[in-house]
Amino acid sequence: AQSVAQPEDQVNVAEGNPLTVKCTYSVSGNPYLFWYVQYPNRGLQFLLKYITGDNLVKGSYGFEAEFNKSQTSFHLKKPSALVSDSALYFCAVRANDYKLSFGAGTTVTVRA
Amino acid sequence: KAGVTQTPRYLIKTRGQQVTLSCSPISGHRSVSWYQQTPGQGLQFLFEYFSETQRNKGNFPGRFSGRQFSNSRSEMNVSTLELGDSALYLCASEADSYQETQYFGPGTRLLVL
Repeated sequence: AQSVAQPEDQVNVAEGNPLTVKCTYSVSGNPYLFWYVQYPNRGLQFLLKYITGDNLVKGSYGFEAEFNKSQTSFHLKKPSALVSDSALYFCAVRANDYKLSFGAGTTVTVRA
Repeated sequence: KAGVTQTPRYLIKTRGQQVTLSCSPISGHRSVSWYQQTPGQGLQFLFEYFSETQRNKGNFPGRFSGRQFSNSRSEMNVSTLELGDSALYLCASEADSYQETQYFGPGTRLLVL
């Protein structure tokens, strides 16, 4: 069985400061990892994914994520957060089947 | 390409009724997955359809069912609605590979009174 943990329910940062949203995973076989963001009353919006290759993945809106196989982590990062980054962020994992398992989500609040 | 569309966007039903939600995937995508999102349980996988066949199923009671048509459009049905079925129902489509990205629709918000 595969699972995802997002250890922080909430992350609060000041605008302009670095933003990190943590994610760890458990899966048999090669992991395929995804980050999504959800704004209020909207569906999930794809940010980035790791399939293979370079451990640092760059995505939309200045976000990036680092895959760490030994720590089974896939943390989302942004060097300089914006107020508009305030949203709900989900990490997801998929193994060699077609099920996508989501973490519980992390609410990010960026204060001006 | 147009994104994933879901209809209706909002629904209000009463206990015991049934409801049908619709999802149109991105053109060319043959896989459609359905999720239930609630504040307490988060995002839970309902089922996935590929080429009109259910390929994966989550842990939901039989009151939740779905189908997919030859044009890849999908519907999900919930019979005998319960108060706990109030949720945001999300549909996602993807091309056929587990390395591919699922793209989500805006969701249907169902309120059961």
